[in-house]
Amino acid sequence: DAGITQSPRHKVTETGTPVTLRCHQTENHRYMYWYRQDPGHGLRLIHYSYGVKDTDKGEVSDGYSVSRSKTEDFLLTLESATSSQTSVYFCAISGGTGVSGANVLTFGAGSRLTVL
Amino acid sequence: AQKITQTQPGMFVQEKEAVTLDCTYDTSDPSYGLFWYKQPSSGEMIFLIYQGSYDQQNATEGRYSLNFQKARKSANLVISASQLGDSAMYFCAMRAHMEYGNKLVFGAGTILRVKS
Repeated sequence: DAGITQSPRHKVTETGTPVTLRCHQTENHRYMYWYRQDPGHGLRLIHYSYGVKDTDKGEVSDGYSVSRSKTEDFLLTLESATSSQTSVYFCAISGGTGVSGANVLTFGAGSRLTVL
Repeated sequence: AQKITQTQPGMFVQEKEAVTLDCTYDTSDPSYGLFWYKQPSSGEMIFLIYQGSYDQQNATEGRYSLNFQKARKSANLVISASQLGDSAMYFCAMRAHMEYGNKLVFGAGTILRVKS
């Protein structure tokens, strides 16, 4: 299995509280991603990182921030959680951007967040 | 912008029969990759198969094959000899190679149920 772990795996919080999800990889991959999964929408990209301190927005970035101070860690922060951010959050990693199919995104196990 | 459409929210198939899951895509990038992932009820995302836009032959991986019709912009997944363990959510995704960051865009998914 690819070395990618997410924490926490489950979290229940209240509206307005800050939440941080952590993604840790042991593969030394350059690219890391945060997606959210919602019924009827599949997975949607929140933010991604292409190196230490290098991040960019995805499709649904409003209300989220990220940080990557080390190659192995990619943090997703909800500064003030809202009920619309109740979702399953997936971290993914990738080694490169070449056309080879080997540059496949490998996903963590997911973090289920409930905002009451 | 890239878009993936999966028009079948749910499918049933009899065990040992073949099933086709539909996927159409839209992109202006001449170079792209198409992916299928499986998500069983346990929640993890499992990579199944990859097709590059310039690949001359349809991709195959064991019981999985990708029916790639470039002119029609379709990338259907064919599962032969269905097994009970194939019951899962299936996601089609694409990566446009001119887009920075090796990002995947996902469809909404198709739930497949295999009947015994």
